[in-house]
Amino acid sequence: GAGVSQSPSNKVTEKGKDVELRCDPISGHTALYWYRQRLGQGLEFLIYFQGNSAPDKSGLPSDRFSAERTGESVSTLTIQRTQQEDSAVYLCASSPSTGLLATNEKLFFGSGTQLSVL
Amino acid sequence: AQSVTQPDIHITVSEGASLELRCNYSYGATPYLFWYVQSPGQGLQLLLKYFSGDTLVQGIKGFEAEFKRSQSSFNLRKPSVHWSDAAEYFCAVRNYGQNFVFGPGTRLSVLP
Repeated sequence: GAGVSQSPSNKVTEKGKDVELRCDPISGHTALYWYRQRLGQGLEFLIYFQGNSAPDKSGLPSDRFSAERTGESVSTLTIQRTQQEDSAVYLCASSPSTGLLATNEKLFFGSGTQLSVL
Repeated sequence: AQSVTQPDIHITVSEGASLELRCNYSYGATPYLFWYVQSPGQGLQLLLKYFSGDTLVQGIKGFEAEFKRSQSSFNLRKPSVHWSDAAEYFCAVRNYGQNFVFGPGTRLSVLP
């Protein structure tokens, strides 16, 4: 597709359930980022992939959160045993960046997944 | 670790007035600097970016930003605000081999 695609766009789940959020980056983009945005708040960094490896996963808030990326393409963010405080918009972004700073540095954002934990 | 601060949580200006949104970053070297806008119900859109060279950069929608190394700042400006500029504005930095770090955002309200 032409842009970053995230699915589902909305997810309502019960406390304690596991959820998987998917991100399809722009084709050819080597870098992929996950952010969380709580209502009325800024962007909270979760994890960054360069290719299929994650050089920076320092933002994952607990061991209930994990993410993987395969084929230097699709990424899945998994939240286990969801809690009400996990309710937020989860944003994915991709970039053509190779890790070195370059003039094509730019994040392209998806529309996000609105997660609501009841 | 790098960090970004946006001192103003919420700013209100009248339509047609000038605007300046503040951004300060913390990093030893010159980072790559960005401003993004998030309009209600919309995704994040890049307004402008600074990598090197001329410290005054022009962006879309009539916005500009000035990098001041001595102040570690990258303030966003617009000479005349339009009602459609009401949105959330985020400053971000990226350094070598690291991720993009975003500031907490400044919400802009525009009075008619």
